[in-house]
Amino acid sequence: DTAVSQTPKYLVTQMGNDKSIKCEQNLGHDTMYWYKQDSKKFLKIMFSYNNKELIINETVPNRFSPKSPDKAHLNLHINSLELGDSAVYFCASSPMMGNQPQHFGDGTRLSIL
Amino acid sequence: ELKVEQNPLFLSMQEGKNYTIYCNYSTTSDRLYWYRQDPGKSLESLFVLLSNGAVKQEGRLMASLDTKARLSTLHITAAVHDLSATYFCAVEWGAQKLVFGQGTRLTINP
Repeated sequence: DTAVSQTPKYLVTQMGNDKSIKCEQNLGHDTMYWYKQDSKKFLKIMFSYNNKELIINETVPNRFSPKSPDKAHLNLHINSLELGDSAVYFCASSPMMGNQPQHFGDGTRLSIL
Repeated sequence: ELKVEQNPLFLSMQEGKNYTIYCNYSTTSDRLYWYRQDPGKSLESLFVLLSNGAVKQEGRLMASLDTKARLSTLHITAAVHDLSATYFCAVEWGAQKLVFGQGTRLTINP
């Protein structure tokens, strides 16, 4: 049983295109996150949602728009893709109360041509 | 702004040896997490450290937290090849926001 699942696993597209990444968790968690991992493996939070409400919105270009239709899903839409958007994007989830680790999906490797 | 620094960033060691990875952070926090990432894979939670003096052990790995020194360590005892991976520490800073260190790429040679 996959706890946090992302689709697609790989995404290759051209500059200027718009793409979406989907994430679903079956852990019953209240909070979901998007992280970006760059080519140097550095991980940085982009957004987090708690029960469909946006609670963290880091300094991310507004070409990136998260959407949470319900607490089990958090999607990421990216407009007008740029070369610098090439990275691995990880979805994660955790219970609302702290003291528990975040559970990560397998990542979506986005390559911009 | 919270900064989290790990050292070393790269570590090559022989099987059977002991070593320690250090994680320093710049702002008070009493929640720290260690994760492991294999190449091309997801992040796997290893340890959750929630208070000053916390120590957790799992197999050949032991993690500790000193909140006064703002320092966590991940100690590897008698390393084996299967422990080769990248290890990240992450500090929780407000509203469940995790700030990650740069990662330590550990290679264990036979």
